[in-house]
Order: sequence, then C-alpha cells, then structure tokens
Amino acid sequence: DSGVTQTPKHLITATGQRVTLRCSPRSGDLSVYWYQQSLDQGLQFLIQYYNGEERAKGNILERFSAQQFPDLHSELNLSSLELGDSALYFCASSVDPGGTYGYTFGSGTRLTVV
Amino acid sequence: AQKITQTQPGMFVQEKEAVTLDCTYDTSDQSYGLFWYKQPSSGEMIFLIYQGSYDEQNATEGRYSLNFQKARKSANLVISASQLGDSAMYFCAMRETGLRGGSQGNLIFGKGTKLSVKP
Repeated sequence: DSGVTQTPKHLITATGQRVTLRCSPRSGDLSVYWYQQSLDQGLQFLIQYYNGEERAKGNILERFSAQQFPDLHSELNLSSLELGDSALYFCASSVDPGGTYGYTFGSGTRLTVV
Repeated sequence: AQKITQTQPGMFVQEKEAVTLDCTYDTSDQSYGLFWYKQPSSGEMIFLIYQGSYDEQNATEGRYSLNFQKARKSANLVISASQLGDSAMYFCAMRETGLRGGSQGNLIFGKGTKLSVKP
C-alpha cells in the first residue's frame, strides 16, 4: 500500500456518460496530481492541486474537471465520455507543490468506455 | 520545451545479467530532478531511483543505479543481476519547469521501455 488510495480500481461505462474518480493522498501530502496513461499518448499530466487550489494544468480536456476538497482528497470528473478516454488514470501526491521530496503514486483507476 | 526520450521500446535480458535502459532529456534549466519508475503488468507505478542535477555522485538503490552524464543529458538506468520479477515497463521522468522557473511540480514522462527478463 503506497498510501495513496484511488477508487474505483476499475470502471466500465458507456460513451456519453459521466464518471468521477477519487483520490486520497498520502497522509501529510498537500499536493495532488492527476495523470492519464493511454496506449497512444503515453503518460500525460492532467492537473495539479495544492492545498485545495489549482496549481498547474496540463493536457486536460474541457470535458474533464477536478477539485481538491478541504480534507485534501481529490476528484477527477470526466464527462461526455468517448472511446478514446479509455485509459489508466493515476493520482500522485507530494508534500510540497514542487515535488521536492518526491511523489507517491496510487495504483490507478482503469477506465473502459464502451 | 522539456522532453524525455527513451529510444528502446523493448529490451530482452538474460536472468542474472545486467541491463542498461537509456534515457536522454532536454531542458534549459540548471536545476532539475530525474526519476525512474517501474510499472509491472499489474499497473502500479513504483519509484526506483532519483538523481538531482547537482548531485555529484551517481544515485544507487540496491540493484539499481543511475548513470548520470550531465554534459550528454543522459540518465540511464542500470539494473544489475536481473531477476524475472524485473520484467516490466520502465519510465524515465523529470520535473516540469514552471513559466517563472523552478519546479512546476508535475512530472514529464518518456514513452517507456518494456523490459523482458529471460530465464
């Protein structure tokens, strides 16, 4: 157990639907990062939150949104799903916003859009 | 723009032999950090080793060592005495620099190398 908890582990849904992925960071970590891993795009950074505030954005689609709550857990919302959104979604956490002391990854949520 | 390049999509190594996985990077920053992660077929990302740009010694962690050649902008991972359990995808990554310099926080990953260890 890395200390970062992602739920659910697997998710199968239909095109056009909306899903929410959840991440609880390692105890003491204030920063949360979301990554998407797909066969064609590789590992892509989506978005980062630090202590409840959005800090950095990567290649996140407008159909996707995220937030970090006061208890520091984060949710990634994916809407109007397309087949191409099928991927492994990782959450990682770090103590500080710059990742100075490294990162802890969750085990990922595998999303399949059918 | 920063970039990580892993030129070996797949590699084979005989059990108990050493193997080197290549990684080159591109950055204009003087201060940066390089990481290697292992991703087994189960999917989780496992941290292996870290090298800071100002570290004078090559990083080592057990059977893993990082051959850091700053002038050539390479950070190759060396796995000694390969084991069957080393069969996995391996990713090289570096912290992304923010617009104002300094670490933005997130990692930029290479495409990965799939390592297969033969018995």
